[in-house]
Amino acid sequence: SAVISQKPSRDICQRGTSLTIQCQVDSQVTMMFWYRQQPGQSLTLIATANQGSEATYESGFVIDKFPISRPNLTFSTLTVSNMSPEDSSIYLCSARRDTNTEAFFGQGTRLTVV
Amino acid sequence: DAKTTQPTSMDCAEGRAANLPCNHSTISGNEYVYWYRQIHSQGPQYIIHGLKNNETNEMASLIITEDRKSSTLILPHATLRDTAVYYCIVFNAGGTSYGKLTFGQGTILTVHP
Repeated sequence: SAVISQKPSRDICQRGTSLTIQCQVDSQVTMMFWYRQQPGQSLTLIATANQGSEATYESGFVIDKFPISRPNLTFSTLTVSNMSPEDSSIYLCSARRDTNTEAFFGQGTRLTVV
Repeated sequence: DAKTTQPTSMDCAEGRAANLPCNHSTISGNEYVYWYRQIHSQGPQYIIHGLKNNETNEMASLIITEDRKSSTLILPHATLRDTAVYYCIVFNAGGTSYGKLTFGQGTILTVHP
């Protein structure tokens, strides 16, 4: 399996500001994903980060709120825009080489909005 | 992807086998069963996956019933470090999920001394 590094590991932000989370994989992968895990809840998929094109968002998530970039096969960013306390969650990056291999996850970014 | 049903929580004594069940009665022929776990404050960790046959690796064994409608993850000698939330996920490698995993609520496994 590969290793995913996420930065920052945690942050406390003021409401109305934006935070960009970085996800770096130590090898090339075909697929990259972003998940949100609200306090005490399971993981919810935000979007699939597509290399060289716009991300594919799940129902309930929009590009204006969660813009995503993926400039190459090892790196992606997720921005949480115009934050409110309801955005306080753990945000996780995931990647997999193909659909026949397992997905692996970063350690997450713990975001608190005050 | 097929939906899964898992018990909310389970307990296990340290050193004993932990058997975690999962029902996936609507699974289709080309869907895999994946197991992940999430230890507190960490990202999910892959454990094992299978299609039809039982599988074993250094972490666990996966037993899939013949009709594939249920499976059991077995941790042969549970330790305190195995305390985590365990997720059973059914995944269609060739379907429209495009690699996405859908997480349910999972089973909270607590290993006691």
